Amino acid sequence: DVKVTQSSRYLVKRTGEKVFLECVQDMDHENMFWYRQDPGLGLRLIYFSYDVKMKEKGDIPEGYSVSREKKERFSLILESASTNQTSMYLCASSLSGPSGANVLTFGAGSRLTVL
Amino acid sequence: AQSVAQPEDQVNVAEGNPLTVKCTYSVSGNPYLFWYVQYPNRGLQFLLKYITGDNLVKGSYGFEAEFNKSQTSFHLKKPSALVSDSALYFCAVRPGTGFQKLVFGTGTRLLVSP
Repeated sequence: DVKVTQSSRYLVKRTGEKVFLECVQDMDHENMFWYRQDPGLGLRLIYFSYDVKMKEKGDIPEGYSVSREKKERFSLILESASTNQTSMYLCASSLSGPSGANVLTFGAGSRLTVL
Repeated sequence: AQSVAQPEDQVNVAEGNPLTVKCTYSVSGNPYLFWYVQYPNRGLQFLLKYITGDNLVKGSYGFEAEFNKSQTSFHLKKPSALVSDSALYFCAVRPGTGFQKLVFGTGTRLLVSP
């Protein structure tokens, strides 16, 4: 069964801490994405990557950075966590190609609480 | 820029009755449209998509959606709801050309009562 695995389901961090959220996919997908999900706001794209070492800003990149050193792994980094970054974080991946019709496969999510 | 509207925060339906979850969109050119479902404490799962062709698209778990270009809508439907269909449903859109991000709606919670 194909999978997107997020290493931490629940995290509690303190304001100012550096936070790493890890995501690994085993489908050899080119594209990987980080979304955050908040009630009433739906899913908002933070960053995405369409190739190793490539990254693009999404709609809400402020306060976040990403790393993609290997094709299967896409990490989201909060350099200095703040309470407004308390959220559910969802990683996803998809095949590339000329069509935008490729389906995203999501991980189970990482619920981050910043105190 | 593309956008998606899901006008209902919650939809309540009795088991066995038909259900509809509404979605309207705005995008340049021809759209690619998707429905995803999220069960409690889970990631999103793909239900169905419209790319081109027949306006009625069939997907997983007995769900279907109808693409209506004139009304810019892509409503999700099921003829007979199950209690197990209770979940959070997201509509999403992307333009049909180029590498463009997928934009999601705010979600609609479906509650199916026994």
